[in-house]
Amino acid sequence: GNSVTQMEGPVTLSEEAFLTINCTYTATGYPSLFWYVQYPGEGLQLLLKATKADDKGSNKGFEATYRKETTSFHLEKGSVQVSDSAVYFCALSIPNDYKLSFGAGTTVTVRA
Amino acid sequence: SQTIHQWPATLVQPVGSPLSLECTVEGTSNPNLYWYRQAAGRGLQLLFYSVGIGQISSEVPQNLSASRPQDRQFILSSKKLLLSDSGFYLCAWSTGTGAGEKLFFGSGTQLSVL
Repeated sequence: GNSVTQMEGPVTLSEEAFLTINCTYTATGYPSLFWYVQYPGEGLQLLLKATKADDKGSNKGFEATYRKETTSFHLEKGSVQVSDSAVYFCALSIPNDYKLSFGAGTTVTVRA
Repeated sequence: SQTIHQWPATLVQPVGSPLSLECTVEGTSNPNLYWYRQAAGRGLQLLFYSVGIGQISSEVPQNLSASRPQDRQFILSSKKLLLSDSGFYLCAWSTGTGAGEKLFFGSGTQLSVL
């Protein structure tokens, strides 16, 4: 079946540090890949997405590249801020399927 | 613009009591609707989804049920809550068939079963 595996947290960083959250996937067909972010006490919101191999999604200084050869979609940010503290979820969907499959989520805490 | 409303924001219920969580979407027609649960320390689990009125697909068999009485209304219910039903419940909507389509989430309901 379709699934997403992301690195377990929690991750604690200092401000301006480099952040990487690993995400790998298993899917039939050609999935679309997403990163969602959940700030404390809120629902999830889309951070970025990529719909085909070699696409790079980017938003708010975050980037992730769809790598078909390694079935990965790692999230990166070069210099994190305290406001980036949140839970990050990797997710995938496949064509003609109404569902999104989410990873377990990675809690990131950025300290000043 | 489209908005999604989910209520209540928090709920404390005794074991064995019934449950009804409601979600409504405005500004779009015939959305796909979803109920997810996020248990403490765990990821996001899809419970139910619906692609039309009266059409409900269950992903995880349990003592919860869902109904879609109107196009933009999705209700999560239980006749008797269990302790294991505690968690953060999220309603979401989307359009299309999922290929590249993003989900829009409500703000969630924190359910504590005591």
